[in-house]
Amino acid sequence: DTGVSQNPRHKITKRGQNVTFRCDPISEHNRLYWYRQTLGQGPEFLTYFQNEAQLEKSRLLSDRFSAERPKGSFSTLEIQRTEQGDSAMYLCASSSRGTAGGTQYFGPGTRLLVL
Amino acid sequence: TQLLEQSPQFLSIQEGENLTVYCNSSSVFSSLQWYRQEPGEGPVLLVTVVTGGEVKKLKRLTFQFGDARKDSSLHITAAQPGDTGLYLCAVNSGGSNYKLTFGKGTLLTVNP
Repeated sequence: DTGVSQNPRHKITKRGQNVTFRCDPISEHNRLYWYRQTLGQGPEFLTYFQNEAQLEKSRLLSDRFSAERPKGSFSTLEIQRTEQGDSAMYLCASSSRGTAGGTQYFGPGTRLLVL
Repeated sequence: TQLLEQSPQFLSIQEGENLTVYCNSSSVFSSLQWYRQEPGEGPVLLVTVVTGGEVKKLKRLTFQFGDARKDSSLHITAAQPGDTGLYLCAVNSGGSNYKLTFGKGTLLTVNP
């Protein structure tokens, strides 16, 4: 069990560019989550997948954001036309099926800086 | 308004000291989780408390869930530099059993 992995770990981009992040969950986990964490805040929920189905999207996820989990395994989070306010740590978590959703295991995050 | 209020926001202490951090809310929760996050890493689950009044111990860490299940505390005995990190409390919110809502955290620094 190698845990949740995220790539890249760091990304610096210029305002207006598109960026894509990848998350590989723990292999047997069918649930996958994306959170965003800004400085001085706890993580904030963005979206949730059960297998390949995206079941909930936060209002924080504007039209410029899109997340996919095409085969129910890895997931990608794309931000189009990045803005400076998108600078944050983007965290991915996964969990297995369970009555309480299961314990969420977090990856190391992708830190995005938009110049 | 924050669902979970954590205090203090920052705490800097010397190695060997004891400390308590708090997580408070006006809402009642079925369970509450504590995480520790080290710089540049994702949060790691420390404990889940479920029953009002419950006390759980993890080595030098003692977690308590309030009787009314609205608040929780984390006490660290004889803090060590390895305890340095951001301590976050979190609950399932919005009627879901999967969406976590976190407090802002307490940033603890233990100086050698």
